[in-house]
Amino acid sequence: QSVLTQPPSASGAPGQRVSISCSGSSSNIGTNTVNWYQQLPGTAPSLLIYGNNQRPSGVPDRFSGSKSGTSASLAISGLQSEDEADYYCTSWDDSLNGPVFGGGTKLTVL
Amino acid sequence: EVQLVQSGAEVKKPGESLKISCKGSGYSFTSYWIGWVRQMPGKGLEWMGIIYPGDSDTRNSPSFQGQVTISADKSISTAYLQWSSLKASDTAMYYCARLWAATEARTYYFDYWGQGTLVTVSS
Repeated sequence: QSVLTQPPSASGAPGQRVSISCSGSSSNIGTNTVNWYQQLPGTAPSLLIYGNNQRPSGVPDRFSGSKSGTSASLAISGLQSEDEADYYCTSWDDSLNGPVFGGGTKLTVL
Repeated sequence: EVQLVQSGAEVKKPGESLKISCKGSGYSFTSYWIGWVRQMPGKGLEWMGIIYPGDSDTRNSPSFQGQVTISADKSISTAYLQWSSLKASDTAMYYCARLWAATEARTYYFDYWGQGTLVTVSS
């Protein structure tokens, strides 16, 4: 059971917009910023969004993040086949004094 | 260029010991926390613990406390994850990652990841 809650799966057709939710609590998302990782099949996770809505250099602006209260979401617009991957949300947990992850969402591009 | 390079895949028997490594380069190794993350087959990411190589301050996830030992040798810019007695349930991919911590902004994230070390424990 992951500390942060994500839907196990999401899907969309090429060109569409999809959103992935992430729910936490006051000790993590409610207090600290949210980050998102993308894990392509057979590879290590890579940073996709940090600080709720910041993109590292090289990440397309099709990817965006937002946070409200104890929840966050990742939006992907103009869906492409190469976006098919697992997506994980994460935040720092003040009670645990360490990072906590969501269970991951498998995105399928139809 | 920041790089974290992990040691190669391991196949061990239950009860054996193991130490895997993560060598950092391209940045000041002693100035950033290094974390270890487990990914069991077909499952999600789990934080195991973090270490600050500058002074070896270590914080373990309660889920892994007593199960593994995290250490670092700053003289060779390398962090380690160690087991004294492996179990079949330790079979997983293990990643090290550098932690970016901006405390005042309440922002903490793993910005660079190693390629992963696959540990297989089987009799």
